[in-house]
Amino acid sequence: AQTVTQSQPEMSVQEAETVTLSCTYDTSESDYYLFWYKQPPSRQMILVIRQEAYKQQNATENRFSVNFQKAAKSFSLKISDSQLGDAAMYFCAYSGGSNYKLTFGKGTLLTVNP
Amino acid sequence: NAGVTQTPKFQVLKTGQSMTLQCAQDMNHEYMSWYRQDPGMGLRLIHYSVGAGITDQGEVPNGYNVSRSTTEDFPLRLLSAAPSQTSVYFCASSYGTGPYEQYFGPGTRLTVT
Repeated sequence: AQTVTQSQPEMSVQEAETVTLSCTYDTSESDYYLFWYKQPPSRQMILVIRQEAYKQQNATENRFSVNFQKAAKSFSLKISDSQLGDAAMYFCAYSGGSNYKLTFGKGTLLTVNP
Repeated sequence: NAGVTQTPKFQVLKTGQSMTLQCAQDMNHEYMSWYRQDPGMGLRLIHYSVGAGITDQGEVPNGYNVSRSTTEDFPLRLLSAAPSQTSVYFCASSYGTGPYEQYFGPGTRLTVT
């Protein structure tokens, strides 16, 4: 079974600074997809960014970018110019294998200090 | 579009009671799923459906039933509630699996006493 590990239960960053959230995963598949979802205090799950495993280029969405290291099975999220609205729980997720079911990590709670 | 809707938002049950959590989507998505979220555990897949009439088990299916008679609706039934089922439940839908974004409902907070 695929597993997703987020080794940082909590992180904090100063407003306007950069922070990196870590994620590693375990799979024997060659075709899969990786995601970062954000869950603010409202509880609503929001997609932040996605990465296709067959693409070598790292995905970028405005202030959010990933560092995808396929051989190391690592998928970290970098948030640049952090804003107060970035404070949330962040979940790394993997989709692959039979039926491409989504497997989530346990989450990293990000605090943004003014 | 309303997106993914879930009812109720909050529910308190006594041990042994049964209930159905409702989920509906108006995006004509084929794939729907139910997750539970517990502190420190992330989201875990309970059941999913790849289309009307087709359902399958996820990681933690015990104590839950689902059916998918229409594309729009995917209810989750708790057969005999137990305190271990106290959790926040999320329904999600997507165009398909793989690279597609999953759209989540607002969640149902369930407490079993």
